[in-house]
Amino acid sequence: GAVVSQHPSWVICKSGTSVKIECRSLDFQATTMFWYRQFPKQSLMLMATSNEGSKATYEQGVEKDKFLINHASLTLSTLTVTSAHPEDSSFYICSAFDTRSSYEQYFGPGTRLTVT
Amino acid sequence: EDQVTQSPEALRLQEGESSSLNCSYTVSGLRGLFWYRQDPGKGPEFLFTLYSAGEEKEKERLKATLTKKESFLHITAPKPEDSATYLCAVVSGSARQLTFGSGTQLTVLP
Repeated sequence: GAVVSQHPSWVICKSGTSVKIECRSLDFQATTMFWYRQFPKQSLMLMATSNEGSKATYEQGVEKDKFLINHASLTLSTLTVTSAHPEDSSFYICSAFDTRSSYEQYFGPGTRLTVT
Repeated sequence: EDQVTQSPEALRLQEGESSSLNCSYTVSGLRGLFWYRQDPGKGPEFLFTLYSAGEEKEKERLKATLTKKESFLHITAPKPEDSATYLCAVVSGSARQLTFGSGTQLTVLP
């Protein structure tokens, strides 16, 4: 199956700083990637859709100026949490849409962000 | 608006005790129904895609089926390593976004 990686797997940062999370499709090209947020014991909440070469589409209620998404190539999307606050602490997961497999999406291992 | 409901929320089984997880959905133009497995602190792991009513897929002790209103994930003779949260999701219309259910947390006791 298709492989998606994320880096870092966990990060601790101080309030007010910015953190960048990378999502890479390792063995396929992904024109579309998705960013999710997951709180403990809850399901995944879609934050935004990232399309290569164009602006990301954000879900209602997600601050686009706080969660900056860049999809610079067919294998890399980045999520930058700007001016992080403790309430931004969460588990962030990306997925990549494999155009070879109809609508199947493959998920990265996730990034645990803790803001102190 | 697409809706996905999974039941039960939690399920505890003895090793070897077969059971089924349910995923009911309401969508406009189903493009695909997906099952994922998620272990604590990890991203979801792809299990199955089902595209049309009547379709079935199997993988080891797991078998997924699909009707026009729901999908079942049958677990035959489960083992403790099958313990995880199982997520159901759909894609509909022209969108590519997944709409997830809330998941079923499965615990298999040795």
